[in-house]
Amino acid sequence: EAGVAQSPRYKIIEKRQSVAFWCNPISGHATLYWYQQILGQGPKLLIQFQNNGVVDDSQLPKDRFSAERLKGVDSTLKIQPAKLEDSAVYLCASSLDPGRAGFYEQYFGPGTRLTVT
Amino acid sequence: ILNVEQSPQSLHVQEGDSTNFTCSFPSSNFYALHWYRWETAKSPEALFVMTLNGDEKKKGRISATLNTKEGYSYLYIKGSQPEDSATYLCAFWETSYDKVIFGPGTSLSVIP
Repeated sequence: EAGVAQSPRYKIIEKRQSVAFWCNPISGHATLYWYQQILGQGPKLLIQFQNNGVVDDSQLPKDRFSAERLKGVDSTLKIQPAKLEDSAVYLCASSLDPGRAGFYEQYFGPGTRLTVT
Repeated sequence: ILNVEQSPQSLHVQEGDSTNFTCSFPSSNFYALHWYRWETAKSPEALFVMTLNGDEKKKGRISATLNTKEGYSYLYIKGSQPEDSATYLCAFWETSYDKVIFGPGTSLSVIP
């Protein structure tokens, strides 16, 4: 079974530039998560999709971050414009969770390490 | 504000030692608790999904217990090996806000 794919693995940009991350979840997984993990902290949920609908985006800074899930499969996360404090690892995860999330383990991708200079 | 805490923040043990760490979460509105292991340069990997008070799970030398009434979970590693070196994360699902909150993690280093 192929795992969760993410790209790019690393990205360095200057502040005020734009960046986009891509995630391909495990086939058949209904739920997709984007997390931001700042060094020394646990992953913070940015957005959770159930199929192609948004379940929770309460911690997504919507003035600069946007995300979409295409046809309930692949997802992109965009930052425009980036700030220095956006430097972090961005993790994508998926889980089966046909109904309520939390009863199934999450499968994580390798993450994208973003450095904003 | 919901808060999930993990202790200790980090620890170093000798190969062969047994160790344990704690995840503390709000005791109300519990839905599920997950444990993940995150090795350097790899993806976080699920260890356990726990949903019932009193749950005990085991995978090889690693086991976990859950007390939802008092709001804590313990992760135990018996006979630590260098390959157990990783950050161990717990993730708490609660019902009122219907969201997942990760703890900050416990970083374990096993010295050969």
